[in-house]
Amino acid sequence: QVQLVESGGGVVQPGRSLRLSCVASGFTFSNFAMHWVRQAPGKGLEWVAIISYDGSSQYYADSVEGRFTISRDDSKNTLSLQMNSLRTDDTAVYYCARESRGYTFGPGWGQGTMVTVSS
Amino acid sequence: QSVLTQPPSVSAAPGQKVTISCSGSTSNIENNYVSWYQQIPGTAPKVLIYEDNRRPSGIPDRISGSKSGTSATLGITGLQTGDEADYYCGTWDNSLRAGVFGGGTKLTVL
Repeated sequence: QVQLVESGGGVVQPGRSLRLSCVASGFTFSNFAMHWVRQAPGKGLEWVAIISYDGSSQYYADSVEGRFTISRDDSKNTLSLQMNSLRTDDTAVYYCARESRGYTFGPGWGQGTMVTVSS
Repeated sequence: QSVLTQPPSVSAAPGQKVTISCSGSTSNIENNYVSWYQQIPGTAPKVLIYEDNRRPSGIPDRISGSKSGTSATLGITGLQTGDEADYYCGTWDNSLRAGVFGGGTKLTVL
């Protein structure tokens, strides 16, 4: 059973940084690409970033390109999202999700971690 | 403006069947697997369908997914009041090199 547990959310001032983590279990982490997806209060789902199974490729949404960095540590079954230069419109619940095939979304999503950017 | 297009709302009576459509293009739905999510306000999205028509363990077979060309469909039979929620479709877009979602459909069980 795919299990993903996010952590690291909190309240941060605009312009500051935050690092999110997602610990995976129930599958061979190193075999799958991983996504970050977010949802602002009262809004729909917004894709944020993906990292390939071997870490060689990363893609980002235009809204976070140059500010966010996705990474993975297969020795710890952990996915990370380093968020710099945070803006108020980055306020959202952040979810990690496992790939299915071909970068599409698979059967596992986490419960999310809330990030609030406010002065 | 979402890359994938869903109806804003659908409704049906308890016990009836409802379908929710998700329209895209050749760069996303036609050439990639589609997944569907149920979200009750205040909770995380729950995966109902992945790889077009596969159900994760624990999802009942009254939930189904299908795809034809650039459109995908979620079907729910034997509607229950507990099915009232927002439903989203999602997939990968090869041209954008990005994940994409529909804007969501609110299901009301009358």
